[in-house]
Amino acid sequence: DTAVSQTPKYLVTQMGNDKSIKCEQNLGHDTMYWYKQDSKKFLKIMFSYNNKELIINETVPNRFSPKSPDKAHLNLHINSLELGDSAVYFCATNRAGGPSGELFFGEGSRLTVL
Amino acid sequence: DQQVKQNSPSLSVQEGRISILNCDYTNSMFDYFLWYKKYPAEGPTFLISISSIKDKNEDGRFTVFLNKSAKHLSLHIVPSQPGDSAVYFCAASDGDGGSQGNLIFGKGTKLSVKP
Repeated sequence: DTAVSQTPKYLVTQMGNDKSIKCEQNLGHDTMYWYKQDSKKFLKIMFSYNNKELIINETVPNRFSPKSPDKAHLNLHINSLELGDSAVYFCATNRAGGPSGELFFGEGSRLTVL
Repeated sequence: DQQVKQNSPSLSVQEGRISILNCDYTNSMFDYFLWYKKYPAEGPTFLISISSIKDKNEDGRFTVFLNKSAKHLSLHIVPSQPGDSAVYFCAASDGDGGSQGNLIFGKGTKLSVKP
């Protein structure tokens, strides 16, 4: 039973399209995140949600919008996709009071924009 | 501007020997450091961490050493096993960021342990 699951795992789409990546966690953790691993292999934080509140929003284009329908889900919507959006997107969680920085990651969703 | 640097993209070690993975950082505000391990087609998994008030933390075969004056940390794996073959990411936070999961990651070092 996967603790943090993402769908789809692979996504190939055309520039200009709108797409979503879903994330679900069954750990009961309070905070969920989206990280992006770009072509240079850097993992960088995009968003985090805690109790349905956005608490971190790095310098991410507003074409990207996280949506959390409930505590167990944090979906990533991307509008007007660009070539540079091609990357692997990781969902992650951690629990309040847990070891600082100990994140539980999903398997990743590889997005390819043509 | 890389605040966390892993200058060795790859490392090859013989089974049973010690693996030493290195990491340097530039931000003196970082006070918590972590190592994550990643297998292909999987997400990173937490391995071990160290607070800046310590200079060593050990967990089984894994030991992390922190040299604050040099802004350097290293992960030692001994003895190395073929199952340790993976990409290892060094990550850092400034305390508050860490508790919120806002980590700064290095580019990773791919470790290959040969039987």
